Amino acid sequence: GDSVTQMEGPVTLSEEACLTINCTYTATGYPSLFWYVQYPGEGLQLLLKATKADDKGSNKGFEATYRKETTSFHLEKGSVQVSDSAVYFCALRRSGAGSYQLTFGKGTKLSVIP
Amino acid sequence: GAVVSQHPSWVICKSGTSVKIECRSLDFQATTMFWYRQFPKQSLMLMATSNEGSKATYEQGVEKDKFLINHASLTLSTLTVTSAHPEDSSFYICSATGLAGVTTYEQYFGPGTRLTVT
Repeated sequence: GDSVTQMEGPVTLSEEACLTINCTYTATGYPSLFWYVQYPGEGLQLLLKATKADDKGSNKGFEATYRKETTSFHLEKGSVQVSDSAVYFCALRRSGAGSYQLTFGKGTKLSVIP
Repeated sequence: GAVVSQHPSWVICKSGTSVKIECRSLDFQATTMFWYRQFPKQSLMLMATSNEGSKATYEQGVEKDKFLINHASLTLSTLTVTSAHPEDSSFYICSATGLAGVTTYEQYFGPGTRLTVT
C-alpha cells in the first residue's frame, strides 16, 4: 500500500538557519505530493504541493521538488523564522479519478529559537 | 475561499456521555468529508469518509457504533462520540472536498476539536 516516511523530529534550529525535512514515499502510479503545516492547537494548512515529476511547489519561502527517481519530496527553506515553529506533515494522494484519500507521514516538529 | 469550520473547538465531557462535533464547509459544497483523529505527537489517522446523503465508510478498527457520522447536507457533517470514555480523548479534525469553486480532489481542513473525557 501507499506510505510516506519523513524524518523524525523534533528539529530545533536557530533563527535564519537552513531547514531540510526529508520525505520519501511509496506508491503506485504518479501520486500528488503535499506538505501540510500544523501550528499549535490548530488544524492542518496546505503549505505547498506538486502534482507531477519535477514540479516544484513553493510558498512562504518553503520549497519542495517532486523527484520521481528518488521518490522524494524534501521540504526546504533557506532562512527559518520563529514563526515557522510548527509540525510539518508530508502526504500523498493517489492519482486517478475520484481519488481523494490522503496518506500522511508521521509529522516532524520544528522549533525555531531566537 | 474553501473554508471549513468545526464546532466546538474544544469540549470537556464526563465519561458515559455523548458529544457531537460539527464540521461545516462555509463557502463551498462538500461532496465528501473526512474525519481524522490525531493522538499527541502523532500523525492523523483517518477514521471515516462520508458522502452527502449516504452512509459513512469507516476505516478498519474504527467502531461505527461508537463514532456516528452523519453527512446530512452538502455543507454539514457531524461526528458523535457515543458513551465517551477517557481513551476517546483526542484531537478530531475534519476535512472536506468539493467539485465546484474549489480545487478538485483537494482536502480542506477544519481547525480541529479537542475532546477531553473525564
